[in-house]
Amino acid sequence: AQTVTQSQPEMSVQEAETVTLSCTYDTSESDYYLFWYKQPPSRQMILVIRQEAYKQQNATENRFSVNFQKAAKSFSLKISDSQLGDAAMYFCAYTNYGGSQGNLIFGKGTKLSVKP
Amino acid sequence: EAQVTQNPRYLITVTGKKLTVTCSQNMNHEYMSWYRQDPGLGLRQIYYSMNVEVTDKGDVPEGYKVSRKEKRNFPLILESPSPNQTSLYFCASSRSSYNSPLHFGNGTRLTVT
Repeated sequence: AQTVTQSQPEMSVQEAETVTLSCTYDTSESDYYLFWYKQPPSRQMILVIRQEAYKQQNATENRFSVNFQKAAKSFSLKISDSQLGDAAMYFCAYTNYGGSQGNLIFGKGTKLSVKP
Repeated sequence: EAQVTQNPRYLITVTGKKLTVTCSQNMNHEYMSWYRQDPGLGLRQIYYSMNVEVTDKGDVPEGYKVSRKEKRNFPLILESPSPNQTSLYFCASSRSSYNSPLHFGNGTRLTVT
């Protein structure tokens, strides 16, 4: 069974600095998708970034980028120039490509605090 | 505005009293899903639906029922709620099950006493 592991329950970063959130996953599939979702105190789940496993190039969305290491099954999220609004829970998620009927599997989350 | 609408946002009920949490999307999405979020456990899938009249169990389906009679609606039914179902519930939808991002509702905070 596929699993997603976020080993950092909590992280803290100084405003304007860079922070990296870790995510590892376990799968025997070769085609899949990976996501990072942000959940601010408002509870809304917001898609931050996604990566297709067949693409070697790391995805980037403005200040957010990933380091996708397929062989190591690692998918870390880097937030550059951290802002106070980045404070939130961050969830890493995995899903098969055309596989098990769409079960999106989430990690347990990392709570990010941003210090002014 | 494209959105997933869940109701209610907050619900307090007693053990054994049947309840329904509604979910509706206006994006003509085929795929809909229910998750529960508990501290330290992340989000876990309860049920999902690939299309009208097609539903299947997720990781934690015990104690829940769903139906998909119309494409836009996917209600979550708790026939006999118990305190261990106290949680934050999310409905989500997408165009397909694997390569499209999920659109989430705003969540329903359920407390069962």
